[in-house]
Amino acid sequence: GAGVSQTPSNKVTEKGKYVELRCDPISGHTALYWYRQSLGQGPEFLIYFQGTGAADDSGLPNDRFFAVRPEGSVSTLKIQRTERGDSAVYLCASSLGGIYTEAFFGQGTRLTVV
Amino acid sequence: GESVGLHLPTLSVQEGDNSIINCAYSNSASDYFIWYKQESGKGPQFIIDIRSNMDKRQGQRVTVLLNKTVKHLSLQIAATQPGDSAVYFCAEIDNQAGTALIFGKGTTLSVSS
Repeated sequence: GAGVSQTPSNKVTEKGKYVELRCDPISGHTALYWYRQSLGQGPEFLIYFQGTGAADDSGLPNDRFFAVRPEGSVSTLKIQRTERGDSAVYLCASSLGGIYTEAFFGQGTRLTVV
Repeated sequence: GESVGLHLPTLSVQEGDNSIINCAYSNSASDYFIWYKQESGKGPQFIIDIRSNMDKRQGQRVTVLLNKTVKHLSLQIAATQPGDSAVYFCAEIDNQAGTALIFGKGTTLSVSS
């Protein structure tokens, strides 16, 4: 596709359940970012991939959060034992990966934990 | 036109005015800066970027100014239009250290006609 695609666009889950959020970056983009955005706040960095490896996962809030990018393209953000405080919009972005290259964002997945 | 010296969460302007949105960034080693526009229900959209070896860059109706001495970034929008109404974020990155893109606090711009 032409842009970053995130699925699902909306996800409602019960507290304690496991969820997976998917991101399809722009073809050829080696850098991929996950962010979390709560209402009225700026995007909060979670994890950054260069190719298949996590270059920086310092933003993951705790060990319930995990992300993979096994083939250097599609990425999945996984959240175990979801809590109500995990409710937010999860944004994915990708860039060419070189320096001074802009990141393009998807529309986000709105996660609601009830 | 309207301007703010420090970061404020909201800015209201009349159509046709010039708008200035300010941002203070945190990392003195950051070498690349981007302004994003975010409309309701959408992901952030790139507006303009600037490298740390520049202090000004112009686009179409937008200008970004960088003051590295005080770690301050501003976005100027000329002849603001109702379609400019959105939340604006600055973001920084330290390419040498390979850090991730980090966002600052947003400013909600409201343009009335």
